[in-house]
Amino acid sequence: QKEVEQNSGPLSVPEGAIASLNCTYSDRGSQSFFWYRQYSGKSPELIMFIYSNGDKEDGRFTAQLNKASQYVSLLIRDSQPSDSATYLCAVKDTGRRALTFGSGTRLQVQP
Amino acid sequence: DAGVIQSPRHEVTEMGQEVTLRCKPISGHDYLFWYRQTMMRGLELLIYFNNNVPIDDSGMPEDRFSAKMPNASFSTLKIQPSEPRDSAVYFCASTAGGGPAYNEQFFGPGTRLTVL
Repeated sequence: QKEVEQNSGPLSVPEGAIASLNCTYSDRGSQSFFWYRQYSGKSPELIMFIYSNGDKEDGRFTAQLNKASQYVSLLIRDSQPSDSATYLCAVKDTGRRALTFGSGTRLQVQP
Repeated sequence: DAGVIQSPRHEVTEMGQEVTLRCKPISGHDYLFWYRQTMMRGLELLIYFNNNVPIDDSGMPEDRFSAKMPNASFSTLKIQPSEPRDSAVYFCASTAGGGPAYNEQFFGPGTRLTVL
């Protein structure tokens, strides 16, 4: 069974710090990786996706992918209290459109 | 665009009753997904459709669950009979087909189901 593992947290960082969120996956054939943010009581919303090894930056967010280690991470620079949410890592299943989600990491940014 | 629309937003029912959840995907999207989210199990895929055809229903927990997509703009998820362990938030999501760049799934607001 395909698995996506995340530390449930909470991860607590002070405002202005870098938050580092990590995710490992079991399906070595996976090609596409996504980070979703979910505020309490709301639906998940896409922050970033990444397909190639290395880093991908979008504003304060950087996604990092290491396929050899089956590892994906999300860095949030200059963390703000509004970044406090649960971050879901998702992996596109090989050969189909479905995503397998991790259980999420709850991030708390302290003012 | 109004985004993915789900109804009802909240549903409280008694064990044994039939529950029907509804979803309208984003216009032009040819993939529709039903997910269930609980604290214990996280976000789980139940079933997904492509062009109104069910592609993978391996996540449907048991025969009490059924899903249909009679046309491109409407899908239902039915639970009959409902049980307390079905209590969860049910999300519908849609996406457009194509290459990997089109894999962003847009989620609806969810239906919070409570079975007493």
